[in-house]
Amino acid sequence: DADVTQTPRNRITKTGKRIMLECSQTKGHDRMYWYRQDPGLGLRLIYYSFDVKDINKGEISDGYSVSRQAQAKFSLSLESAIPNQTALYFCATSDVYGYTFGSGTRLTVV
Amino acid sequence: DAKTTQPNSMESNEEEPVHLPCNHSTISGTDYIHWYRQLPSQGPEYVIHGLTSNVNNRMASLAIAEDRKSSTLILHRATLRDAAVYYCILLVRYDKIIFGKGTRLHILP
Repeated sequence: DADVTQTPRNRITKTGKRIMLECSQTKGHDRMYWYRQDPGLGLRLIYYSFDVKDINKGEISDGYSVSRQAQAKFSLSLESAIPNQTALYFCATSDVYGYTFGSGTRLTVV
Repeated sequence: DAKTTQPNSMESNEEEPVHLPCNHSTISGTDYIHWYRQLPSQGPEYVIHGLTSNVNNRMASLAIAEDRKSSTLILHRATLRDAAVYYCILLVRYDKIIFGKGTRLHILP
């Protein structure tokens, strides 16, 4: 099993729908992150969590919310999806040695 | 956040060494220099990191200037599988990564 698992891998949803992207990790790390990547661009930080009771906004948190259900689980929600949220979403964990990223969720909002 | 400057893209021939430069003139004493790479259709992966001394691992070497204002990632013998976007990032321990645009490395067969 992968250290950081994201589900689903691909998703197509309609404008206005609520959608949740899930992330689980087996690294035992306290710190978890959600990034989005648009075609040809770098990754931008949406939300991050340094432990179960700590949630912080990143560079582009508008339109998103997160839930840290346990040390191993960090989910990202789009309350009312819009087409410009079409992107590749990555979850990551970190410790003092570095980051581990998931394989990504490709989300298309039509 | 301290910033890094990297070339937008570079090319190298297969089986030759590749030197990827990064400038970070505003680096602070507590910043670690990290390198990540992102292969096509994958999440970024850790390559190497260092503080002051040069570092080697199975993937690459990191050469850090004496004044720490620049660094170079060295791939000793590039293969086609090394074609990726390489990100040079400054991180204080336990900090969050803010990505720049990185260097897109093309490997020519």
